[in-house]
Amino acid sequence: AQKVTQAQTEISVVEKEDVTLDCVYETRDTTYYLFWYKQPPSGELVFLIRRNSFDEQNEISGRYSWNFQKSTSSFNFTITASQVVDSAVYFCALWDNAGNNRKLIWGLGTSLAVNP
Amino acid sequence: DSGVTQTPKHLITATGQRVTLRCSPRSGDLSVYWYQQSLDQGLQFLIQYYNGEERAKGNILERFSAQQFPDLHSELNLSSLELGDSALYFCASSTWGGQGNNEQFFGPGTRLTVL
Repeated sequence: AQKVTQAQTEISVVEKEDVTLDCVYETRDTTYYLFWYKQPPSGELVFLIRRNSFDEQNEISGRYSWNFQKSTSSFNFTITASQVVDSAVYFCALWDNAGNNRKLIWGLGTSLAVNP
Repeated sequence: DSGVTQTPKHLITATGQRVTLRCSPRSGDLSVYWYQQSLDQGLQFLIQYYNGEERAKGNILERFSAQQFPDLHSELNLSSLELGDSALYFCASSTWGGQGNNEQFFGPGTRLTVL
């Protein structure tokens, strides 16, 4: 079955530290899509990135970077030089392409606290 | 601002009652998704509509129903409310639902409290 595991429930770091949020997925599909979303204290879910299974290149966007490794079924997210504004819950999700009931499968999220 | 709007922002009601949550997708988006987020169950997909038709169904209770109107706005109806229905309800939209794997943009959510 399709599944997303975010083993880290909570992480606490001090500002300017680098932090990596882990995401491990399970899927039988050969073509699949992975996502990361951020939910700051305000509550709204904010889209961060979408990757497809054909593209294993790592991606960098400012202080954010993503490491996609098919060999270990992982799609980890690193924040470099963390800031207090990065404090949020981060969700990893997998697009479930099975049958006619296609939907996003969500991890339980990792709550990141960046302390000044 | 994602461009997805949801009303109301907060809703407080009693057990047994019925409420309607409303969502307007981003301009041009044909797909609308509904999610429930509670502390004990995380983010749960409820249902998806694409251009007025139901496209996918998740863990939606029979007491809940949804529809998407010709102007593409959507409503989620929750009836015979129970204490356990208290949660944050999100609506999201995406550009098209053929494959359905495009990124979804979320509204600010409706916080439902059932007393």
